[in-house]
Amino acid sequence: QVQLVESGGGVVQPGRSLRLSCAASEFTFTSYTMNWVRQAPGKGLEWVALLSSGGTTEYYADSVKGRFTISRDNSKKTLYLQMNSLSVEDTALYYCVRHRDGGSFDHWGRGTQVTVSS
Amino acid sequence: SYVLTQPPSVSVAPGETARITCGGDNIGDERVHWYEQKSGQAPVLVIYDNSDRPSGIPERFSGSSSGNTATLTISRGEAGDEADYYCQVWDRTSDHWVFGGGTKLTVL
Repeated sequence: QVQLVESGGGVVQPGRSLRLSCAASEFTFTSYTMNWVRQAPGKGLEWVALLSSGGTTEYYADSVKGRFTISRDNSKKTLYLQMNSLSVEDTALYYCVRHRDGGSFDHWGRGTQVTVSS
Repeated sequence: SYVLTQPPSVSVAPGETARITCGGDNIGDERVHWYEQKSGQAPVLVIYDNSDRPSGIPERFSGSSSGNTATLTISRGEAGDEADYYCQVWDRTSDHWVFGGGTKLTVL
């Protein structure tokens, strides 16, 4: 069955950087658009970024645009999120999410926790 | 940017029908998706494209959308349905995915 396993989270100081990874398996990774979604403690879901299957189209939430970069290595079946200039408002559980044809998110990873604190 | 409005909480008695609304400007023209998130777990897609159910989702879950309101309906509510529910649409003007604020369903 589809598996998405995030890694790379941790505790980081404000202004620093972090790179998240998401290892995909049991599906044809190259055929799917992928997303990152985050959830701050006790809060709702917030979409972060989207990257098309071929890596040519990317979109970002206004809150992260210019600071975060989504990328993928289809040969490694891995999705990334490079996060720069982190602030305390970026503290959240970050989910890697598969985007089914026509929209909607049909598979989610378990998430990786990012905590930004001095 | 497009805003989706959900009630913070909805309560339902066991065996009764729960209706969770999602308000948005002309949301009836959009494809609405719904997610269930139980405590400590990742979200699960329960309705896509307004009213379609992924495989494995019980028929008790249904969706509809018209005008400025989309609705997730859960029939014959069970204790296991207690969760947060989120609606979602694609905002074509900004090329952003948008989630509603979420609704906590309590089965009393």
